[in-house]
Amino acid sequence: DSGVTQTPKHLITATGQRVTLRCSPRSGDLSVYWYQQSLDQGLQFLIQYYNGEERAKGNILERFSAQQFPDLHSELNLSSLELGDSALYFCASSVGGARSVIDSPLHFGNGTRLTVT
Amino acid sequence: KNQVEQSPQSLIILEGKNCTLQCNYTVSPFSNLRWYKQDTGRGPVSLTIMTFSENTKSNGRYTATLDADTKQSSLHITASQLSDSASYICVVSGKGNNRLAFGKGNQVVVIP
Repeated sequence: DSGVTQTPKHLITATGQRVTLRCSPRSGDLSVYWYQQSLDQGLQFLIQYYNGEERAKGNILERFSAQQFPDLHSELNLSSLELGDSALYFCASSVGGARSVIDSPLHFGNGTRLTVT
Repeated sequence: KNQVEQSPQSLIILEGKNCTLQCNYTVSPFSNLRWYKQDTGRGPVSLTIMTFSENTKSNGRYTATLDADTKQSSLHITASQLSDSASYICVVSGKGNNRLAFGKGNQVVVIP
């Protein structure tokens, strides 16, 4: 068990809708990362937060947004959903700090499987 | 072009046999390289980390090697077990930035 909790495990919704994915990081970890994994694709970095502030942005669409709350849990909001947004969305956490990504392993949750119909 | 390329994309091996997975990267300057194991329906889990000065490192039946000159790493699985069926992801970090480069993974299926 990585200690990272993601909810819900599965989500089925229609095109045009909006959903929120939730992540609770491992106890003590200040950094939260969001990744998208589509079928036959590698993990695509979306965004990173450190202690409530946005630290780095990857290939995140404008329709997507995220935030990290004072209790360090994070939410990823996906709006105007399209069929192509169907994927596994992973949250990961690490201890934090400027060098955290390099020196510390990422601890991944088990993901939220989003299906857009 | 992806900065991390893994091969083979997928392979099937008999239980008890060995296999080697390859990872080539172009990330420069290099900081470290990690291998993650991702079981179906689960998040990836770190297996091992290789830094610039390390050539080989073992974690049980998993042995990782690194050749920083040729920018290649391998993950060798010895005496494979059914539980080794998973995707193995190579992740490279570069110096001077806080980003990771992910490979697409090697899909390993171990059959009895």
